Parts: sequence; C-alpha cells; structure tokens
Amino acid sequence: DTGVSQNPRHKITKRGQNVTFRCDPISEHNRLYWYRQTLGQGPEFLTYFQNEAQLEKSRLLSDRFSAERPKGSFSTLEIQRTEQGDSAMYLCASSSNRDRAYEQYFGPGTRLTVT
Amino acid sequence: QKEVEQNSGPLSVPEGAIASLNCTYSDRGSQSFFWYRQYSGKSPELIMFIYSNGDKEDGRFTAQLNKASQYVSLLIRDSQPSDSATYLCAGGFSNSGYALNFGKGTSLLVTP
Repeated sequence: DTGVSQNPRHKITKRGQNVTFRCDPISEHNRLYWYRQTLGQGPEFLTYFQNEAQLEKSRLLSDRFSAERPKGSFSTLEIQRTEQGDSAMYLCASSSNRDRAYEQYFGPGTRLTVT
Repeated sequence: QKEVEQNSGPLSVPEGAIASLNCTYSDRGSQSFFWYRQYSGKSPELIMFIYSNGDKEDGRFTAQLNKASQYVSLLIRDSQPSDSATYLCAGGFSNSGYALNFGKGTSLLVTP
C-alpha cells in the first residue's frame, strides 16, 4: 500500500512539552496539507506545501506550530509548549499538481492528547 | 470568516431511500466544492467534486451546486447501511492548491 502514512498514530504528552509528527505523502505527490480535527468538527486547514515551499498558512497556526517539508518529500509538524487545547487529530493529505489535483488523499492521522 | 455550514444531524433514512445532504457557504470566491465521507475513527475520503452550476452524477451519488444561492447538496440514491457515516462538505480555491475549508459534517444513518 503506497498511501499517505503518518507517525506516530497516537501521542500522549504533558502540557508544556514539544511534540513532532511526521507525514509521508503518496510518492510523487508534490502537494501536502496539514489539517486538525476535533471531535464533532470538520478538519481545519493548517498549512499547505507545494514541493518544499510552504505556500499558505492558516491563522490557526500560532507561533507554537511549525511545519517543514525538506526536499519536498516527507513533512513534519512540530508543536512547542503544548496546551490542552492542542488535543486533536492531526491529519495529513497529499495531492498531485497534475491530473485530479483537487483530489486529496488523507493519511490515518495522529491523535494527540495533551494532559 | 469563510464559513461552510452543514446541519449536524443525525439524518436517518431507511435503506433504499434517497438521502439528501445540504451545505451552504458564505465565501462567493470559493471555486470548487467537495463532498467527503468519513467513517467513525477513519480519515475523510473524497466521493464527489463539483465546480460548475448544476448537477453532477457518479453512480448512486449526485452533487448539486447553485452558486447564486451559495448552496451545495449531495443526494445518495438507494441508500445502504454501509453509507452510514459523516459527510463533510468543503470549499476550495484552485489558486491556493485546493486547501479545503470544511463544514462540521452531517451524520447519516441508514437503517435496515
């Protein structure tokens, strides 16, 4: 299976700690997106990369959040000084920039619990 | 604030009936609209995409878009229990790589 993968699948951390999540997109997909989803809500857009360039960031992405996509392959999302409000499912998606560019394939997500 | 609004439901329909899911949006600049299905504990899965006014059919699914009324809908014909899921409506812009603005989703329950 060559779908989008995310690691870890679950993360429990104490308030104030830093956490980092990884997303591996579908091979050759040059667009990569991060979303956050809380219970009973739809996913909220956080940020978007085309290749290694971070082209758009939501205002939801506070200074404590940073995302990178070195070399345009995998991406990492880091949250510094976690807060209880950061508890959510963090979803990564990827898409091609050619045919069916609109079709985003989502990974299984990383569920973060901040205690 | 660019809003996509959906009735959270649950919407309950009997097996074999037509399920009608609705969505309104506030941003007239939204170019394209998407319906995603999300089973409990799983990731969203794209089922329909529409960018032109009118209807678009794909198997048992029909998406409808009315840009003047800022209204999007999804019809599911011959509903099956396996269609029970949350349906997410989203709007996107091609010039922002289709970064999606999702609604809260409508929970659909198809009863045997």
